[in-house]
Amino acid sequence: SYVLTQPPSVSVAPGQTARITCGGNNIGSINVHWYQQKPGQAPVLVIYYVSDRPSGIPERFSGSNSENTATLTISRVEAGDEADYYCQVWDSNSDHWVFGGGTKLTVL
Amino acid sequence: EVQLVESGGGLVQPGGSLRLSCAASGFTFSIYSMNWVRQAPGKGQQWVSVISGRGGATYYADSVKARFTISRDNAKNSLYLQMNSLRAEDTAVYYCARDLRPYNWDDPFDYWGQGTLVTVSS
Repeated sequence: SYVLTQPPSVSVAPGQTARITCGGNNIGSINVHWYQQKPGQAPVLVIYYVSDRPSGIPERFSGSNSENTATLTISRVEAGDEADYYCQVWDSNSDHWVFGGGTKLTVL
Repeated sequence: EVQLVESGGGLVQPGGSLRLSCAASGFTFSIYSMNWVRQAPGKGQQWVSVISGRGGATYYADSVKARFTISRDNAKNSLYLQMNSLRAEDTAVYYCARDLRPYNWDDPFDYWGQGTLVTVSS
């Protein structure tokens, strides 16, 4: 089955740029989606189809995808961005949704 | 306003059964694929199952296949998850989640419920 690999944690100072990666075999050829989850809350879709943002998601959130790595970029990081972030893809070979293990973003 | 409200969670013994429900409102339920996603305590998200808008197509994660059954009642705007032969590793918060666009199958999830906790323990 398809495997997505995320770093367990990323730390960044306020105002800096956070980059959260999601590794997968040839992930650059498929759609990647990203979710933000704060403690005690349900996940929220922040990026879909690699780089689209749902309404209400700040422009500071962006996504990119290339070869074997997809990246969620958060510019001008704020304290409120501190959360767990998950990447997601649809594995058409198995007809399964696959989530990455999640990355905890800490704002220093 | 789109709302998804799960219910039916609780404590169940290993080998037991439980049926989760998800009441949907604020959108045309029958044209959206719906999913169940779970999160074990302190762990990440794990997709469980998806069902098409009319209920004719379903898929399951390997870990729950043959034990769990997803279904829906479009007349009642409700989604269900029948869970049998429960194991300790099924302990998790279970979320229902809606696909982003109608008539699609492999869309991400734009609305999630608040989740219902299932605890499998003797």
